[in-house]
Formats: sequence, structure tokens, C-alpha cells
Amino acid sequence: QKEVEQNSGPLSVPEGAIASLNCTYSDRVSQSFFWYRQYSGKSPELIMSIYSNGDKEDGRFTAQLNKASQYVSLLIRDSQPSDSATYLCAVDTGRRALTFGSGTRLQVQP
Amino acid sequence: NAGVTQTPKFQVLKTGQSMTLQCAQDMNHNSMYWYRQDPGMGLRLIYYSASEGTTDKGEVPNGYNVSRLNKREFSLRLESAAPSQTSVYFCASGQDSSGANVLTFGAGSRLTVL
Repeated sequence: QKEVEQNSGPLSVPEGAIASLNCTYSDRVSQSFFWYRQYSGKSPELIMSIYSNGDKEDGRFTAQLNKASQYVSLLIRDSQPSDSATYLCAVDTGRRALTFGSGTRLQVQP
Repeated sequence: NAGVTQTPKFQVLKTGQSMTLQCAQDMNHNSMYWYRQDPGMGLRLIYYSASEGTTDKGEVPNGYNVSRLNKREFSLRLESAAPSQTSVYFCASGQDSSGANVLTFGAGSRLTVL
């Protein structure tokens, strides 16, 4: 079992819709969770971090964490073509460094 | 506001050649990291340095060595390159934020080993 699992996609949504990206993790001691966005040929950039159960909102982005279910998600409201990218889920267990999922490719159709 | 700077951006090597990837950060971060990214595999940790003077192996350290030259610089060396090391390499630095490492990545170095 991979430490951090994501559906590779592509996830295709129409412009203006809500995109829902999901991530599960295996290590129960994980404390911190991150979503990075990576455009093709570019480096990952941090878009959201979440540390406690519940929702965290930042503009059009909402991160959701459920530690009991070992599940973290990212919602993108009013999706735009510029949101088309690969979204990487990352988990910090406090032991070493961030462990990344393989990413979900999002395509927003105009 | 350079952030994390990696050199070179592109490199082609022949099997058996050696090279060093350079990384420098100007954000006064304690931790620095080297990841590799292969299609469908996400980012895999090669080595990391939690602070100046310390280095530790990550998930895929075989075939690589690192040096934390000072707080700013963290280099990755391939002593005898192999085709399996063809990849995109990312350096990152991190600063504790609420007890977690929030990483900032360099632009990446695309390495091809023939």
C-alpha cells in the first residue's frame, strides 16, 4: 500500500463547476497535510495546508481533513481553465520529509 | 526574491559520467531536500538535510551523494550515472510552520542519461 494515494485522473470538469480532488494516507501519525499545484513542465507550488480536522477555506479553494478516515480532499469552486494542472497531495508524518502522492491531473473544459 | 535556485536546468550525460546538481536558497531555511520526479511516480525523496551539517537518506538514495555545504547550499552528486537516473530533479527548502515543513521548490533540473 502506498503511503499517499491519489487517483491519477484526468479529472475533467466544465468551467465554473466544482472540482473535487481526493487523497488517502496510510500513516495514522501524520500531522500536517498539503496540496501543491504543478503546471506541466513547472515546479510544484503550495496552494493549501491543513493541520486539524474540518475545513479550511482560502478563496476558491477548500481543504478538508478527516483524520479518523485518513482522508484529505481539495475542492476548487468556480473552476477556471487556468486551474488545469496536476494536484499533488503531501503528508508530513514528522519523521522525515513530506511524502507525496503521484498526483491527480485536472482538466477544466472551457 | 530568488527563493530556491537550481543549476543546471538541463543536462545530458553518458552512462558512467558524473555530475553535480547545485541548489541554493536565500530564505534562511534550515531544511533542504532533493526529490526526483518520474512520470506517474510523483515526487520521491532522495536525500534531505534537516540542518546545516546533517544529511539523511530518503526513499531512493542509491546512486546519489549529497553535501550540505552551508545553510544556503545543498548539492546532489551522481558519481556514475545510469539510464535509470533519467528524471527531473527538484531541490526544495522548508521552514517549520506550526510544526510542519512548508516546502518551496526550485525550478527543476531535467537530466537525461544515455
